[in-house]
Amino acid sequence: AQSVAQPEDQVNVAEGNPLTVKCTYSVSGNPYLFWYVQYPNRGLQFLLKYITGDNLVKGSYGFEAEFNKSQTSFHLKKPSALVSDSALYFCAVRPDRGSTLGRLYFGRGTQLTVWP
Amino acid sequence: DAGVTQSPTHLIKTRGQQVTLRCSPISGHKSVSWYQQVLGQGPQFIFQYYEKEERGRGNFPDRFSARQFPNYSSELNVNALLLGDSALYLCASSIGQGYQPQHFGDGTRLSIL
Repeated sequence: AQSVAQPEDQVNVAEGNPLTVKCTYSVSGNPYLFWYVQYPNRGLQFLLKYITGDNLVKGSYGFEAEFNKSQTSFHLKKPSALVSDSALYFCAVRPDRGSTLGRLYFGRGTQLTVWP
Repeated sequence: DAGVTQSPTHLIKTRGQQVTLRCSPISGHKSVSWYQQVLGQGPQFIFQYYEKEERGRGNFPDRFSARQFPNYSSELNVNALLLGDSALYLCASSIGQGYQPQHFGDGTRLSIL
């Protein structure tokens, strides 16, 4: 069975400090990996993706993510957090590389709060 | 360019009723997927349509159905509504290749009384 785990329901960090939001996955084959952010009463907004190549991928708003194949992890990072980064973050995987089916499996989400 | 648009934004129904939710994808996107997001959880896959054909179905009962029109817009229908169907229903569109991200609308908030 395909699954995505975000082990922390909440992450709290002071503004200006680095942040990490963790994600591990258990899927067949070599998946595509994504991070999305959700603000209150809004849909999901795409942040970044890992397809292949360099294990460190850069995305929108200064976010980056580190892919680790041996640990099946894809942690979201930002060197210096902003209060405006406070939101709900979702890790998602797409296991079916060989087809046009784009089904995403999501984690439960991590609420990030950045304190001023 | 306009993003993914969904209508209505909010809907209140009673148990046993039927509902139709609508989605217009980003121009040029041929794939539309539907997800259900229950409060406190991540989105759960319901359907994917690509070029007007169903390409995938999640673990949802037959009360859930969908279709995609020639202009690539889509409708999600839910019959015989249950209290547990209360959720945010999200539509996502993509070009169609799996490595391209899905872009989400703001969803329809469905409340069942």
